[in-house]
Amino acid sequence: QKEVEQDPGPLSVPEGAIVSLNCTYSNSAFQYFMWYRQYSRKGPELLMYTYSSGNKEDGRFTAQVDKSSKYISLFIRDSQPSDSATYLCAISGLNAGGTSYGKLTFGQGTILTVHP
Amino acid sequence: AAGVIQSPRHLIKEKRETATLKCYPIPRHDTVYWYQQGPGQDPQFLISFYEKMQSDKGSIPDRFSAQQFSDYHSELNMSSLELGDSALYFCASSWTSGSINIQYFGAGTRLSVL
Repeated sequence: QKEVEQDPGPLSVPEGAIVSLNCTYSNSAFQYFMWYRQYSRKGPELLMYTYSSGNKEDGRFTAQVDKSSKYISLFIRDSQPSDSATYLCAISGLNAGGTSYGKLTFGQGTILTVHP
Repeated sequence: AAGVIQSPRHLIKEKRETATLKCYPIPRHDTVYWYQQGPGQDPQFLISFYEKMQSDKGSIPDRFSAQQFSDYHSELNMSSLELGDSALYFCASSWTSGSINIQYFGAGTRLSVL
């Protein structure tokens, strides 16, 4: 079982729809939660990060973390065709030496297509 | 704003050849990470360096090695290339202040092994 499981999709929605993307994780030591957007053949682009349970909003994007359920979500309001991309949740925890927060563990990614 | 720079963008090699990938982190970032992303897969962590010392190691084959230099750029050296090494290789950098670890990714190097 992967440490981070992401609803694989793909998702296809009409322009203006609300999109919900979800991940679960198994390791309670994970402390930082991020969402990246990746366009085809490009590097992952950081959308949002958070380190506490609750909601964090940035424009049309809301990241939600529930540490008790080990569940994270990303909501996109008023989706646009330019939002069409692969969305990756990524979670970070302490490195092997316990000295710093290191590697990111990614979900499998969800391909989102927003139709005009 | 300056971003993470990776070179080359594309690389074609034959089996059993060697390859060197370069990464130039965002200025003042002190940590570099390398990830491998196979077709249709999520990025997998390979190795990281903090202040030029290896800080963490993931599923990196023994045929691969990496280092971070005094100017903080990093190189990933890959020897005895295999067909399965064909992938996108990403470098990310962060400024590890306290426990915050926000990683910014480069555009990647696409390696094709023929």
